[in-house]
Amino acid sequence: QVQLVESGGGVVQPGRSLRLSCAASGFTSSIYSMHWVRQAPGKGLEWVAVISYDGSNTYYADSVKGRFTISRDNSKNTLYLQMNSLRAEDTAVYYCARDPPQWMSLSGAFDIWGQGTMVTVSS
Amino acid sequence: SYELTQPPSVSVSPGQTARITCSGDALSKKYAYWYQQKSGQAPVLVIYEDSKRPSGIPERFSGSRSGTMATLTISGAQVEDEADYYCYSTDSSINHRVFGGGTKLTVL
Repeated sequence: QVQLVESGGGVVQPGRSLRLSCAASGFTSSIYSMHWVRQAPGKGLEWVAVISYDGSNTYYADSVKGRFTISRDNSKNTLYLQMNSLRAEDTAVYYCARDPPQWMSLSGAFDIWGQGTMVTVSS
Repeated sequence: SYELTQPPSVSVSPGQTARITCSGDALSKKYAYWYQQKSGQAPVLVIYEDSKRPSGIPERFSGSRSGTMATLTISGAQVEDEADYYCYSTDSSINHRVFGGGTKLTVL
């Protein structure tokens, strides 16, 4: 069964750090780019970051650049999001999503999503 | 910064055609994608590369793009299509991605 399972969310104080994980199963995750997308309570989707299939390229939304780091361990089929200097406005459900390679159909689309993990930044 | 603009809400009666628009300058060169998100659930891809439908998505869902606007059309909308719909695309560099603000579709 193809699935993504996020973990690591919780309540954290402003200025502190948190690391999210996204475990992939049922497919060869090492050939896919992977993204993090977040959704603040009652708000819309916001793209956060992307990492290439081999981890060699990463890009970030301006809102998190310099504070968040996306990484992956293909030997563990796991994607990470290290979040530092957290702010109240980072409070959201964080989703990981799969992005197929260019030689596959659905390339460029988030074809599989995890169920999300909630991060609350509050004192 | 790159933005995609959607109407906040669209309302139709069951069986009618719902059209949700998405506008942004980069759509003149980049594909549009559409996601459906029902309450409390993760988003689901319903249209990719402007007009292609993933496996398992009903035929009543279709998409198009012209100039700087993309449109999601639900022909014969059903009550179960009530959801938030988000368009998505990339900026000209492909390094950044962006979602539209979302459109709440009401079918009643």
